[in-house]
Amino acid sequence: QKEVEQDPGPLSVPEGAIVSLNCTYSNSAFQYFMWYRQYSRKGPELLMYTYSSGNKEDGRFTAQVDKSSKYISLFIRDSQPSDSATYLCATLFGNEKLTFGTGTRLTIIP
Amino acid sequence: NAGVTQTPKFRILKIGQSMTLQCTQDMNHNYMYWYRQDPGMGLKLIYYSVGAGITDKGEVPNGYNVSRSTTEDFPLRLELAAPSQTSVYFCASSYQPSREQFFGPGTRLTVL
Repeated sequence: QKEVEQDPGPLSVPEGAIVSLNCTYSNSAFQYFMWYRQYSRKGPELLMYTYSSGNKEDGRFTAQVDKSSKYISLFIRDSQPSDSATYLCATLFGNEKLTFGTGTRLTIIP
Repeated sequence: NAGVTQTPKFRILKIGQSMTLQCTQDMNHNYMYWYRQDPGMGLKLIYYSVGAGITDKGEVPNGYNVSRSTTEDFPLRLELAAPSQTSVYFCASSYQPSREQFFGPGTRLTVL
């Protein structure tokens, strides 16, 4: 079993829709949860960073962590064509190494 | 700040050739990382460094070597290139261990 599982998609939604991206993880020791966004032929960039359970909001983006079910979500409201990218979830325990999901490719259709 | 820069952007190697992928950061980060990204496989850690003179293996180090003589530079060396090393290579750096990592633009390597 992979430590972090992520549906690779691709996922296509119309502009303005709410997007839900999800990951599951197996190691209950993970404490930090991150979402990276990667545009085509670019390096990943950190989008959201949460510690432990709960929600974190930043503009149109909300990151949600449910440690009881080992489930991580990223919600994008009022999706824009500029949100078209691959989204990678990542988890971390202490000072260990980041464990990345395989990424979900998202396309927002104008 | 330029952030993390990588050279070259693209390279085609023949089997058995060697090359060095360059990585430089200007954020004075102690922690630096090399990843490879294959389609559908996510990012795999090759090597990392916690400071000048200190390096350690990641998940997939075979066929690669690194050095860290300065805080700014973290080159990745490929010896005896093999087709299995065809990938996109990303260098990253962070202020704290494994926390917010800043990635370079990547090097696309093809081994034929």
